[in-house]
Amino acid sequence: DGGITQSPKYLFRKEGQNVTLSCEQNLNHDAMYWYRQDPGQGLRLIYYSQIVNDFQKGDIAEGYSVSREKKESFPLTVTSAQKNPTAFYLCASSTDSVNQPQHFGDGTRLSIL
Amino acid sequence: QKEVEQDPGPLSVPEGAIVSLNCTYSNSAFQYFMWYRQYSRKGPELLMYTYSSGNKEDGRFTAQVDKSSKYISLFIRDSQPSDSATYLCAMSEWGKLIFGQGTELSVKP
Repeated sequence: DGGITQSPKYLFRKEGQNVTLSCEQNLNHDAMYWYRQDPGQGLRLIYYSQIVNDFQKGDIAEGYSVSREKKESFPLTVTSAQKNPTAFYLCASSTDSVNQPQHFGDGTRLSIL
Repeated sequence: QKEVEQDPGPLSVPEGAIVSLNCTYSNSAFQYFMWYRQYSRKGPELLMYTYSSGNKEDGRFTAQVDKSSKYISLFIRDSQPSDSATYLCAMSEWGKLIFGQGTELSVKP
């Protein structure tokens, strides 16, 4: 089955710790995205990548970093600089970044210990 | 003012009712319009995708776009308890999606 796999489903971060969220897709999509979802605020774009080895900041990139070394993988690192990391993180992909709808994984819920 | 406004609800209806979910927007450059359904602790699932004014129907779901009024709607006919979820509208300008807050819908048996 083609789809987007996010892992882990739940993640806990200690103060001062960096954590990395995994996102893998086997849809052969060029574009990949990371969103943050907070209660009552909808989805906000953190980073996106239109092609391997290239990515751009979204609306709330501070305290996050990404890499895109392979077409199918787009990991997100939540750094210690992100002071309010508790949220539901969603990864998405699309065939291109302009006119095609985005398809989502089932998310990772990050909490602070 | 937010670019996309969506009534967060919650909205509670009896089984079999017609549900109307709505979003308004301020950016006339939005070209593509989507509705997603999100069950609790899951990722959003694409329901409808349209790019022109008018209606698009898919089973019990109808998406309506009125670009002149900057208003989109999703109608659900014969609503079922399995339709209970949060519904998100989203709009695209050259690939960047802007989401509404989501409307929480509960369909009671």
